[in-house]
This record gives sequence, structure tokens and C-alpha cells, in this order.
Amino acid sequence: DAGITQSPRHKVTETGTPVTLRCHQTENHRYMYWYRQDPGHGLRLIHYSYGVKDTDKGEVSDGYSVSRSKTEDFLLTLESATSSQTSVYFCAISESQGINQPQHFGDGTRLSIL
Amino acid sequence: QQQVKQSPQSLIVQKGGISIINCAYENTAFDYFPWYQQFPGKGPALLIAIRPDVSEKKEGRFTISFNKSAKQFSLHIMDSQPGDSATYFCAASPAGYSTLTFGKGTMLLVSP
Repeated sequence: DAGITQSPRHKVTETGTPVTLRCHQTENHRYMYWYRQDPGHGLRLIHYSYGVKDTDKGEVSDGYSVSRSKTEDFLLTLESATSSQTSVYFCAISESQGINQPQHFGDGTRLSIL
Repeated sequence: QQQVKQSPQSLIVQKGGISIINCAYENTAFDYFPWYQQFPGKGPALLIAIRPDVSEKKEGRFTISFNKSAKQFSLHIMDSQPGDSATYFCAASPAGYSTLTFGKGTMLLVSP
């Protein structure tokens, strides 16, 4: 299994509070991604990073911000959590851009916002 | 706008049968088509992938069939086993890009 650790694995918080999810990789891969998974929607890309301090928006980026200060860590922040952000969040990594570069996923963080 | 449409939403197959999941895409710039398998409580894992220069790719009991003109691709699981029970996602990526667009998933149950 790819060395990807997501923390925390579960979190319950209240509407309006800030939340930060962490993704840590030991593979030294260049690309890192944050997805959310919701019933009936599959996996949707929130933000991704193509290098330290280099990030870009995905399909559902509103209400989320990211930071990557080190190759191994990619943080996802919900500045003011809303109930619509209750979801399972997955981090993924890939070695480089280009053909046939698979993405490897962590085991997810289940986030509940009450 | 959903760029990758996956069907069916759920599927029940008898042990030993063939499971077939279909995906259709709209963006002709898509150049890489992976399938992911996800078990409950775990992240998706790459199962098999294809590029449009071939019409079929087989790995063990898993086969991808690709129809470029119809903009469709499908996953066939031969001799389906209870251990194959999982959610399957198709995905697509444009040439030169690392991001994936996923289908909504198919929950497969293989009955003993």
C-alpha cells in the first residue's frame, strides 16, 4: 500500500467551526489531491497540488482552502464548516503528471458537521 | 455537468457470473481511463486502466473494453466471486493532466 496517512480518521464538529484535515505521504510523490465522497455523487475533486506551495482548484472548491508547505503534507481547511460539508474526505497522491500515472488513495476521514 | 456517466448504480450477480459496468464520457480530450475498486471503510484502489489506442485490456478476471467512436468503456468481471463485492468507479483524465473525473460508482454484490 502507498504510504498515505490521513488524520484524523473521524471527526465530529459544529457548524461555524474551523476544521483542518491532514494528509501525510512517505512516497515523495509530487502530486497530491483532496476529494470528497458523497452518496450519489461519487468522488469529486476539491483541490490538488502539483508541488510545494503550488495548488489549484477542483470541481467543488468553494468553502475549502489548502496548503502545502512540505512535499509530504497537504492540508485541507474548512474555514467555517457547514452541514453540507459533512462527507468522507479522501487524499490521493500520484508520482507525476502524464500518461498512466495512477492515483493512490488514503483510507479517508469521515467528517460530520452538526 | 457530469462528464463521466456510469451505470448501473447497483448490480447483483451470482457467483461465477459475469459482472458488467458501463461508462460513457463526453470530453473527447480524455486520454486515460482507469477503474477503481473500493471496499467499505477503505480508499479506492486502482484496478485496471486503459488508453484509447487499444480496444481491450485484460488483467486476470478483469477486462476493460473501450469503444472510442461511441465514447464508451466498460468493465467486465469474469467468474465473479463474493470477494469482488465492492463499489467500482470509472474515471477519465485528459491528456497531459493529472486530475481525474470520476463516475458516480456502481455497488456490486456477488451472491454466494
